[in-house]
Amino acid sequence: NAGVTQTPKFRVLKTGQSMTLLCAQDMNHEYMYWYRQDPGMGLRLIHYSVGEGTTAKGEVPDGYNVSRLKKQNFLLGLESAAPSQTSVYFCASSTPPSSYNEQFFGPGTRLTVL
Amino acid sequence: GNSVTQMEGPVTLSEEAFLTINCTYTATGYPSLFWYVQYPGEGLQLLLKATKADDKGSNKGFEATYRKETTSFHLEKGSVQVSDSAVYFCALSVNSGYSTLTFGKGTMLLVSP
Repeated sequence: NAGVTQTPKFRVLKTGQSMTLLCAQDMNHEYMYWYRQDPGMGLRLIHYSVGEGTTAKGEVPDGYNVSRLKKQNFLLGLESAAPSQTSVYFCASSTPPSSYNEQFFGPGTRLTVL
Repeated sequence: GNSVTQMEGPVTLSEEAFLTINCTYTATGYPSLFWYVQYPGEGLQLLLKATKADDKGSNKGFEATYRKETTSFHLEKGSVQVSDSAVYFCALSVNSGYSTLTFGKGTMLLVSP
């Protein structure tokens, strides 16, 4: 039982390049989330999904796209990377629908955009 | 909207000292409150939670009480250890249907021997 895994762990991009971050969970959770963590900013929600085939915008969605084709996977895409997207990205998952359910986090992906 | 305010860090303590990290919140609705901890190089993990007023969450010697009258959820521990060095995040969730978390900015705790 691996929990939440993220691929890759580190990546360096040049401005304008594209990439996809993969999140996978083996806990059969319905809900999945993508956050970014920046110094002094805490975690901010980028996009989330409440089930296979669904996605929704969070607090800071601009410049990102997501897809949830399979229940266990949640992909975060950057079509044209910008230096402002340099950050640590965390994926999380949880069971619905209660507001007091724990979110389980992956180990993070550190992305640098030059 | 919803927001969480935490005391700024870093908080530096000697081993066995008493710890308090302040957290206050504003929320539309009746939130659940959480403390998450992030150890160096890792993702966040839930430390404790409280879902209604006057509830006390506790885990690993840490405690926090949901105070509706002061909109606070302060984290305390009576005797910290070096292994408690981490970043602590206060968060809330309002059951508006999708239950997303709103985080504070985090407080770094450094404990020296």
